[in-house]
Formats: sequence, structure tokens, C-alpha cells
Amino acid sequence: AQSVAQPEDQVNVAEGNPLTVKCTYSVSGNPYLFWYVQYPNRGLQFLLKYITGDNLVKGSYGFEAEFNKSQTSFHLKKPSALVSDSALYFCAVRARDNYGQNFVFGPGTRLSVLP
Amino acid sequence: SQTIHQWPATLVQPVGSPLSLECTVEGTSNPNLYWYRQAAGRGLQLLFYSVGIGQISSEVPQNLSASRPQDRQFILSSKKLLLSDSGFYLCAWDPSSGRGNEQFFGPGTRLTVL
Repeated sequence: AQSVAQPEDQVNVAEGNPLTVKCTYSVSGNPYLFWYVQYPNRGLQFLLKYITGDNLVKGSYGFEAEFNKSQTSFHLKKPSALVSDSALYFCAVRARDNYGQNFVFGPGTRLSVLP
Repeated sequence: SQTIHQWPATLVQPVGSPLSLECTVEGTSNPNLYWYRQAAGRGLQLLFYSVGIGQISSEVPQNLSASRPQDRQFILSSKKLLLSDSGFYLCAWDPSSGRGNEQFFGPGTRLTVL
């Protein structure tokens, strides 16, 4: 069965500092991996995805994520955090070859960027 | 470009009343469609998904049902709401052409059952 873990409920970081939001996954076979952001009372907004190729993926708003197959991780990073990055972040996985499996989302990590 | 609409944006309903939430997608054809519920601003629970007209798969047994009467229309219903049905309901779609495509989410419906 597929699963996604986001080990931190809350991440606090000062504005201008680098941020990391952690994600580990479990899936049969190779994964497709995704990051989404959600602002209050809004739908989820796609940030970036890993499909194949370069393990470092760049996405919207200066975010990037690194796929690490040996550690089954896909951590989200940004070199310099903005107060406007404060939101709820979700990691998601989809098995590449298992057509019976849908997206599985992690529980979410709330990011607070302090001015 | 593709867009996804949900309505209503907010809804307050008494216990025991019926429910109908609607989701429509524009600018694409034969999308996969999904209903999620999000409780207390945290994790997503997949309720239903559909790969085509009239094809509905239920992920969690519950008080809700879904229908897809048209290719780009997905409806979430209940005959009698429970207090536990309160939450933020999100509709999403992705292209049926490949599993590497991301899901696109609607703006959500905030349902409060009193």
C-alpha cells in the first residue's frame, strides 16, 4: 500500500532563512511525487512534481524539491523564505505502474514564516 | 486553459437535510474526477473518484454518494446529513492520459452541519 509521511506538523522559520519541509513515502515500484500548497479556505495549488530524470526539481515561487530514492524522500526547500510562504503544504505520491492506486496525500505541514 | 468550478462556496445545513455539491471542469475532455473531504484544515480524505460518465468508485463507506451525469460534471450528494459530514469539500481533476499528471483542485465548499 502507498503512504506518505510528513513528520513535522509545524515548521517555523524566520523570513530570509532557508526552509525545508520533509516528506517520505512508501510505494510499490517507482513513484511520481508532488508538492501542493494550500492557503486558508482555498483549494490546493500545485507547486512541483518529480516524474523522472534530474533528482532536483524546480517549481513555482522559488520552491524546489530533491528526490532521494535510497531514502524514499522528497523534501521541499526554498533558499530564502517569505512571510507570504506561510501556508499548509502537502506531499503526495502516485505509483507509476499501479493503475489501481490513486494519489495519496500526506497529512500536511503548516509552515509559519516569521517576520 | 482549463478551469474547475465548485459551488456553493459555503453552506450551512441542518442535520437530516439533503446535500448537493457540484463541480464542473472546463477546457478539457474525459478528465478523471475526484471528491475529497478535508477536516480541520489538515489531511485529505478521498471520498469518490470517476474515470468516466456513470463510473463512480467509492473509497470510504459513508453517508455520501457521487454521480457523474456528464463528462465534466461531478456531483456529491447526501439524503440526510450528519454532524460528522461537516468539513471542507474539494473537487479535483487530472487528465486521463497519464499517471504523471498533477491533480488540479477547485476552490472548495465549506459545509457546516448544525
